[in-house]
This record gives sequence, C-alpha cells and structure tokens, in this order.
Amino acid sequence: QVHLVESGGGVVQPGTSLRLSCAASGFIFGSYGIHWVRQAPGKGLEWVALIWYDGSNKYYADSVKGRFTISRDNSKNTLYLQMNSLRTEDTAVYYCAREFRNTSGSEPSYYFDYWGQGTLVTLSS
Amino acid sequence: DVQMTQSPSSLSASVGDRVTLTCRASQSIGDHLNWYQQKPGKAPNLLIYAASSLQSGVPSRFSGSGSGTDFTLTISSLQPEDFATYYCQQSYFTLTRTFGGGTKVEIK
Repeated sequence: QVHLVESGGGVVQPGTSLRLSCAASGFIFGSYGIHWVRQAPGKGLEWVALIWYDGSNKYYADSVKGRFTISRDNSKNTLYLQMNSLRTEDTAVYYCAREFRNTSGSEPSYYFDYWGQGTLVTLSS
Repeated sequence: DVQMTQSPSSLSASVGDRVTLTCRASQSIGDHLNWYQQKPGKAPNLLIYAASSLQSGVPSRFSGSGSGTDFTLTISSLQPEDFATYYCQQSYFTLTRTFGGGTKVEIK
C-alpha cells in the first residue's frame, strides 16, 4: 500500500528557512520521480518542483527557483524540500506526489497517482 | 511556458445533471492532459490520464476527451459525492507540470 507522509511544516517568519520531508512506503521509492505541489489557502494547485528517480535532474517553478531545493535520499525513502528566503506568498499546504510513467499507450503518459496528505507552511511576522 | 485555463471557474448543478468542464492549453500538448478531483481538506485524486483514460477505481460516469489544446471532462450523471473542485494538468512538457485554475462544482 503506497503511502506518502509529509512533515516539517509550521509557522515561520518571512526571510527564514524551513525543510519539509516526505516519507514514502509501499513501493520502490528509487524507481519514481517525485514532485512537490502546493496550494495557498483558498487557491488552486501550483506545481513547485520535480526530482528524477535517481536525483540526477531537478526542475523548479519560476516562483521558487533559486530559493527552494528539492532532494531525495533513496536509502531512507525520503524526499526533501529545503525552502530558503521564505516569503508570505509561500504560505500554502505542501503536497508530495508520486509520478507514474505509463507506457501502455503509443507514447508514455505521466501523472500523479499518489499524493501525501500535505503539510501546512504559514509565513507570519 | 504553457498556460492551462479552465472554464467555468465555478458552476452550480443538480444531482443527476450532465456536467462538462473545459480545459484549454496555450499551446498544443497532444493528449498529455490529466484531470484531478479535490475535496475540501483533502489531497487531489486522479480521475483521468492521457486525456481520456479512466484511472482504475474511478466511476465510469467520468470521461475525458480532447487533444491538442482543447479538453473536456464530463460527468454523465452528477452524484452527491462529485461536488468538488476539478483541476486539469499538462504533462507534455518534461520540465514542468502546470495545473489549470480549477472548476468548483457546487450544489444547485
């Protein structure tokens, strides 16, 4: 049974740092790309970052590029998001999501088949 | 960057209604379009992938269609548990996974 459990959220001041974790179980963690997606209060979903299955490639939304760093430790089945220089607009629930690569069609399809429950990050002075 | 635009942003419907939601991409994404349902306080749940493929366990009243830039999600007969917000997402561009702004389906 696939499980993703985020942790590390909390109330922090603008300009500070925070590290989120996403603990995975029930699947071969090192075989999947994993994403961070966030959702500001009352707003829609915003893709934040992606890390390949082996950590060799990482991609970021423009809104967090240069401030956030995604990483993973496949030996610990854990994903991380290091968030620096936090801004009030970073207030959101942060989800980790597993990306499945479906090769049954004429070309691969990619989609988020499992999500964590989310962890809330609140920026407040 | 590709932009995903959903319409309407909200709609009111009754149980049993046929409901159609629209998602438009700012450039062609083939059939690399996914649909998610999200209920308040919960993580999103995958409904449709590759524009028209039904995810395992999702009721058959949900269907998706489209390719290129224009896509639709149809609920053939709205059920009480379907009142939620629906998001489209493109997976064509390798370096990003853009979501649409969402459509909230409310009870009339």
